[in-house]
Amino acid sequence: EAGVTQFPSHSVIEKGQTVTLRCDPISGHDNLYWYRRVMGKEIKFLLHFVKESKQDESGMPNNRFLAERTGGTYSTLKVQPAELEDSGVYFCASSQGQGFSVADTQYFGPGTRLTVL
Amino acid sequence: AQKITQTQPGMFVQEKEAVTLDCTYDTSDPSYGLFWYKQPSSGEMIFLIYQGSYDQQNATEGRYSLNFQKARKSANLVISASQLGDSAMYFCAMRSAGYNFNKFYFGSGTKLNVKP
Repeated sequence: EAGVTQFPSHSVIEKGQTVTLRCDPISGHDNLYWYRRVMGKEIKFLLHFVKESKQDESGMPNNRFLAERTGGTYSTLKVQPAELEDSGVYFCASSQGQGFSVADTQYFGPGTRLTVL
Repeated sequence: AQKITQTQPGMFVQEKEAVTLDCTYDTSDPSYGLFWYKQPSSGEMIFLIYQGSYDQQNATEGRYSLNFQKARKSANLVISASQLGDSAMYFCAMRSAGYNFNKFYFGSGTKLNVKP
């Protein structure tokens, strides 16, 4: 069974440009999450989808970030326009989410390393 | 507020020895789950082990065990018989059965180096 995949693995862009990150969750996982790790700091939650619906986007830094999950399959995270402080590693995770169980494990992808110059 | 603290930025261990990675947490929710992940240099975050707040026994998965001390709010990861392939970043994470149920809260990580 394929794990969570993310594309691209690395992206280097200039300030003001647009970047789109993609995440493909584990097949059959309704829950999809985005997290970000800024260098040396904790991994922080950005948002959560259940199928195609946004359940919680309280961690999104500002309106330059837009996440979508069309059809409840893969998800994209667009940053427009990118700023220097957006640099970091963006992780995607997915989980089965059968009921409200704290044991529902989130499985993470390898992340996309974004560098904004 | 939910918080995870990993106080060891880096650690060294000799191959074949055991090592303990510290994790303390803070939550007011009585129901919560604690997770450990391994991130090798390849970047992928690998799920290692889970402990529920109501679990009576410490979780074990192969060479990994979780030393869960609820009263101290600690959930240390113990790796027995370290191998060179255990060299990686290790993250402790928590989710609580409360308002922010679906969020995982992470510590800052511990970088483990296994020496031959």
